[in-house]
Amino acid sequence: GAVVSQHPSWVICKSGTSVKIECRSLDFQATTMFWYRQFPKQSLMLMATSNEGSKATYEQGVEKDKFLINHASLTLSTLTVTSAHPEDSSFYICSARDLALMNTEAFFGQGTRLTVV
Amino acid sequence: QKEVEQDPGPLSVPEGAIVSLNCTYSNSAFQYFMWYRQYSRKGPELLMYTYSSGNKEDGRFTAQVDKSSKYISLFIRDSQPSDSATYLCAMTGGGGNKLTFGTGTQLKVEL
Repeated sequence: GAVVSQHPSWVICKSGTSVKIECRSLDFQATTMFWYRQFPKQSLMLMATSNEGSKATYEQGVEKDKFLINHASLTLSTLTVTSAHPEDSSFYICSARDLALMNTEAFFGQGTRLTVV
Repeated sequence: QKEVEQDPGPLSVPEGAIVSLNCTYSNSAFQYFMWYRQYSRKGPELLMYTYSSGNKEDGRFTAQVDKSSKYISLFIRDSQPSDSATYLCAMTGGGGNKLTFGTGTQLKVEL
């Protein structure tokens, strides 16, 4: 299957700082990327949908000024957690689909474990 | 009522058993169905992808979709300890591009 690379796999940061997470599709062009958040023993919670060259669409309750998403190319999307606080500590996962092929399966990155201290 | 219902488990089976994992859903617009396996602290890994009703087999894994009953299943034959993970069902319709996930079923295959 297609490969989606997410970096870093884990990060620890101080409260008040910003953290950037990268998501790259390695062998296909991802017209759409999705960012999820996952709490322990819970399912994936969609945060936002990122379309290449346009603004991201955020789910209800997700602060777009806090979780900045940029999808500057067909192979790269970034999520920046701004002014991080301990409650932002979580597992963040991206996924990518090539919707030019019409509703194909989604492939996921390895996830990033963020700990804010 | 959630759009997708999945028993969270945990489900514990002996090595070699046949495992049956299931999801039910309420949105009749869903046409594409996926099963993902997620190990602890890792991203989900796509196992099976099916379109509309029917069966699909890949090695020890068989996915079934019954759209009339709004019910999907994943069967794992000859289960191994390495199959111990959380299994997530996911689905999407033709009109949108978001995946709707089940809560995941935690599976443990014991020696």
